[in-house]
Amino acid sequence: ETGVTQSPTHLIKTRGQQVTLRCSSQSGHNTVSWYQQALGQGPQFIFQYYREEENGRGNFPPRFSGLQFPNYSSELNVNALELDDSALYLCASSFPGLASYNEQFFGPGTRLTVL
Amino acid sequence: AQKVTQAQTEISVVEKEDVTLDCVYETRDTTYYLFWYKQPPSGELVFLIRRNSFDEQNEISGRYSWNFQKSTSSFNFTITASQVVDSAVYFCAPKQLTFGSGTQLTVLP
Repeated sequence: ETGVTQSPTHLIKTRGQQVTLRCSSQSGHNTVSWYQQALGQGPQFIFQYYREEENGRGNFPPRFSGLQFPNYSSELNVNALELDDSALYLCASSFPGLASYNEQFFGPGTRLTVL
Repeated sequence: AQKVTQAQTEISVVEKEDVTLDCVYETRDTTYYLFWYKQPPSGELVFLIRRNSFDEQNEISGRYSWNFQKSTSSFNFTITASQVVDSAVYFCAPKQLTFGSGTQLTVLP
C-alpha cells in the first residue's frame, strides 16, 4: 500500500510568482486536506476536497486554490506569493469521507520558501 | 468554533522518565473526536490516537496512555519510560482539522 506522497520536496519562489504543489493520496482514500505549517506552529487547515469537490475551507484568501482529480490526487495552487507564504505545506488523505472523525495520513510535505 | 491549548511549548526529560503532555480544548459540539499526532524531525505527522467524546475511559497502548476528562476539557498524553526516539513535536487536535500549537518533547540520553 503506497502512502501519501508530495512533490516537490522543496521549492524556492519569489514574491508575486505562482506555485503548484502536488499530492497523491493513499490508495483508496477519497478525501484530501491541505495544511500550511509555519515554523514553530501547528498545521493550519487550508481546505479539503472530497470526491473532487471542495468541502470546507479555512481562513485563507482566494489566491489559495485547489483541485482534486478523479484518481483523488490533488493540487494546491497559490497565486501572487507573499513572503508570509513561506511554510511547510502538508497534504493528508483519509477515508471513507469527511475527515472530522477519520484519522488522516500525512505526506512528508513541501517546503516552500518565498524570497 | 474549536480552540485548543497546549500550554507546554517545550519539555525536556532524561531517558526513562515519564512525561505528560497537556491539552485543553474548547468546543460547542456535543459529539466530537479527539486526536493526537506526532511530528518527528523528518516532518511527517503520524497519527497516534483517536477518542470519541462519549468514551472517557483512559487508554493504554504500550508506553503510551491517554487521559480524557470531558468535565475539564482535557485530553492529556503520557509517555512512560521515555526513549530518545520519542523526541518530536506532539500535536493535540480536538477536531481533525484544528491542531494545537504543539509541544516539543526532547528526550535526552
